[in-house]
Amino acid sequence: DQQVKQNSPSLSVQEGRISILNCDYTNSMFDYFLWYKKYPAEGPTFLISISSIKDKNEDGRFTVFLNKSAKHLSLHIVPSQPGDSAVYFCAASANSGAGSYQLTFGKGTKLSVIP
Amino acid sequence: NAGVTQTPKFQVLKTGQSMTLQCAQDMNHNSMYWYRQDPGMGLRLIYYSASEGTTDKGEVPNGYNVSRLNKREFSLRLESAAPSQTSVYFCATTTDRVQPQHFGDGTRLSIL
Repeated sequence: DQQVKQNSPSLSVQEGRISILNCDYTNSMFDYFLWYKKYPAEGPTFLISISSIKDKNEDGRFTVFLNKSAKHLSLHIVPSQPGDSAVYFCAASANSGAGSYQLTFGKGTKLSVIP
Repeated sequence: NAGVTQTPKFQVLKTGQSMTLQCAQDMNHNSMYWYRQDPGMGLRLIYYSASEGTTDKGEVPNGYNVSRLNKREFSLRLESAAPSQTSVYFCATTTDRVQPQHFGDGTRLSIL
């Protein structure tokens, strides 16, 4: 059973508009969440993270929101730029046990920003 | 990703052949990881090493072995390659679990 779900395989947005990428999780032990961006033929690169003690974290054009009661997080990109076109992965880590060193990834959402 | 180096970048194997994928990091990180990425599947953890001298299974360890050679190096071995192991393999490192993992650029492995 998937513990981290990204239900939208793809998303298209006009340049300058807001991109909203969504992620849901089922494991209540997750307490650290990350977003990664991946271009073709490259490794994933870290974008932004959030701890479960926060509900928002902002870094420039990127903001991550966490709704613990709904087990949902979202990544907002404002304004979207063509260079943001990539696959975005949501990932989560648990706060204890052997799983505390593991990241569980969603399947990714391919964002296309149209000029 | 100069901090995490994976070799080789590409490899084609025949079924039954063996191969070792190498990963080296110069970031002085304690933890190292091996993932595989298949189309539409995201990244799945194969094995990880939380610190030098320890290794643990991840989500999909069958058919693989690992060696944490020292703090810098973590290798992944396929003893008898199967077509189902055709994938892109990524190595990652981090200082501890609440810090982001840094990824190499991957090894693209095809098994015929």
